Amino acid sequence: GAVVSQHPSRVICKSGTSVKIECRSLDFQATTMFWYRQFPKQSLMLMATSNEGSKATYEQGVEKDKFLINHASLTLSTLTVTSAHPEDSSFYICSARVGDRGRATNEKLFFGSGTQLSVL
Amino acid sequence: SQQGEEDPQALSIQEGENATMNCSYKTSINNLQWYRQNSGRGLVHLILIRSNEREKHSGRLRVTLDTSKKSSSLLITASRAADTASYFCAVTGGFKTIFGAGTRLFVKA
Repeated sequence: GAVVSQHPSRVICKSGTSVKIECRSLDFQATTMFWYRQFPKQSLMLMATSNEGSKATYEQGVEKDKFLINHASLTLSTLTVTSAHPEDSSFYICSARVGDRGRATNEKLFFGSGTQLSVL
Repeated sequence: SQQGEEDPQALSIQEGENATMNCSYKTSINNLQWYRQNSGRGLVHLILIRSNEREKHSGRLRVTLDTSKKSSSLLITASRAADTASYFCAVTGGFKTIFGAGTRLFVKA
């Protein structure tokens, strides 16, 4: 099956610093990737849709200047949490669909292994 | 906002028993999917059922979909301790996939 690689798996940083999380599709091209956030024992909340070569689409309530998304190639999307604060501590997960060509599909999502961010 | 709501929130059963989890959603969908998540890990896709399907099987998994009631159920038969995990339903309407609150399943050996 398709493989999505996400790094780092865990990061601890000081308040005020920025953290970059990478999400790569290893054996397929993904014109669109999705970024989710998950608090302990809660569900995944869609933060934004990352589009290759164009601006990301953010969900309501998600600050685009806080969570910078760059999708510079067909296999890489990055999420940068800028000026991180303790309330940004969470589990961040990326996902992608195979055969995604920028249009709606019915195919399943493949997930990265997630990044646990802890802001001190 | 989340479109999938699940019950129960938590389920504890003995190994060998069946586990049933339910999911309800609010809007029209293209498909409904079930995912599994082990603690602190990414999600693994289990099964996808399309809006024009009513039932689907995959190994010990059985999924039903009732679009008139906007609900789905996941049945895991003959559960094993290794099935202990959180299970999420997810609905795709248009381009986005939105997840339910999840059911935490604990299978006791």
